[in-house]
Amino acid sequence: EAQVTQNPRYLITVTGKKLTVTCSQNMNHEYMSWYRQDPGLGLRQIYYSMNVEVTDKGDVPEGYKVSRKEKRNFPLILESPSPNQTSLYFCASSFLSGSTDTQYFGPGTRLTVL
Amino acid sequence: AQKITQTQPGMFVQEKEAVTLDCTYDTSDQSYGLFWYKQPSSGEMIFLIYQGSYDEQNATEGRYSLNFQKARKSANLVISASQLGDSAMYFCAMRGTANAGKSTFGDGTTLTVKP
Repeated sequence: EAQVTQNPRYLITVTGKKLTVTCSQNMNHEYMSWYRQDPGLGLRQIYYSMNVEVTDKGDVPEGYKVSRKEKRNFPLILESPSPNQTSLYFCASSFLSGSTDTQYFGPGTRLTVL
Repeated sequence: AQKITQTQPGMFVQEKEAVTLDCTYDTSDQSYGLFWYKQPSSGEMIFLIYQGSYDEQNATEGRYSLNFQKARKSANLVISASQLGDSAMYFCAMRGTANAGKSTFGDGTTLTVKP
């Protein structure tokens, strides 16, 4: 089954404790992206990757890191989480043949930083 | 730069009636794609419909159609014969060809279908 998986689905942590949210896709997509969703603000792009070892900043990259060492995986790293990073996070992937490619989304990770 | 504007935070529609959700956009790209996604209360993001900037026909997918007016930079979603299961948040989004990595979403419209 074609899918994007994220782990964990729910996470409560404390300020400053490093964490990683994993994202994996099994569709051989070149493109992967991370978004955060906050009430009333829609989805905002954090980072994206066009292929292995190619990443770029989205609209809200501060406080986040990513890496793309394998095509299927795109982990999101919060080195020192703060309460303002409490949010719902989505990973997405797609082919990259042009602007026509719809993104497939993971189920979301709800993060609470105390 | 890309911008998506959804001016209706919330909408109500009677079951079996049609409803239009508004979306306007701004971009410097000559070629781009416009997307609509549905997010039910369970939280997952579901792709509904796509419109390419050079497509001359409006896109349709079952009960969903996209009213694309390029000169006005609008890409409104029309849902015909609304069902109770259509109650959800709806997002308009776009990707440009110049930088297909960059993706922009609107703030969303919450649709409530009344029985």
